[in-house]
Amino acid sequence: DIQMTQSPSSLSASVGDRVTITCRASQSISNYLNWYQQKAGKAPKLLIYAAFRLQSGVPSRFSGSGSGTDFTLTISSLQPEDFATYYCQQSYSTPYTFGQGTKLEIK
Amino acid sequence: QVQLQESGPGLVKPSETLSLTCTVSRGSISSYYWSWIRQPPGKGLEWIGYIYYSGSTKYNPSLKSRVTISVDTSKNQFSLKLNSVTAADTAVYYCARAPSSLDWFDPWGQGTLVTVSS
Repeated sequence: DIQMTQSPSSLSASVGDRVTITCRASQSISNYLNWYQQKAGKAPKLLIYAAFRLQSGVPSRFSGSGSGTDFTLTISSLQPEDFATYYCQQSYSTPYTFGQGTKLEIK
Repeated sequence: QVQLQESGPGLVKPSETLSLTCTVSRGSISSYYWSWIRQPPGKGLEWIGYIYYSGSTKYNPSLKSRVTISVDTSKNQFSLKLNSVTAADTAVYYCARAPSSLDWFDPWGQGTLVTVSS
C-alpha cells in the first residue's frame, strides 16, 4: 500500500493568513493526488484533483502543486469558512489511501 | 447534478453482516466507478472498494475477505455487504463516484453511521 503522510497534523491560523499543508507519498504517484475538505459532521468535499486542478466552484484562494512524492495545498488568504480538516488522497493505485488529515483551527 | 444517498441499518450486531445501499439520483450509474469509503468516529478515511457499472470490482486487501460490492443498474443503486463485523467496523460509511479508476471521488453521499453493538 502507498502511505500518505500529511504535515502538520494540526495548524492554528488567523483569518487572512496564507497556509500550506504538505502531503508526502511513500512512492511516486505522478500527479494522481487529490485534496478534500471536511467539516464536522459532513462528507469530504473535493477541492483539488490531479495535484493542481481546481474543482469547479472551489474558490481560487485554494491551489495545489507537486508531483512524484511531494505535494502541497495552499490557501492564499484564510476565510472563516476554511477552518476544517483537510485530507490528501492518492488515486495512483489501489488500495486508494488517504493522509491522516490536517485540522485547521482558528488562532 | 448527480446526488448519492446511503441507506441501511444504523445498528448491527457483532458477527452479523452490515448491508448498505447507495442510490444514485439525477444521473446515471453507467460509465463510472462507485466506491465505498468509511471513517471511524474521530478518525481518518479508509477506502473499502469500488465497483464499475459493468460489475467489475476491486477491494481493499485489508477487508477483501469480508466485503462484497454489487450493482443494480436497473435501480441506479450499488450496495455494500461486510460480514462478520466487530466494534472496529463502527464508522460513518460513505458512497462516492469516480470518473475512472485513476480519478478522484466526487460527489460523495452524506454518509451514514453504522454502529456495531449487541
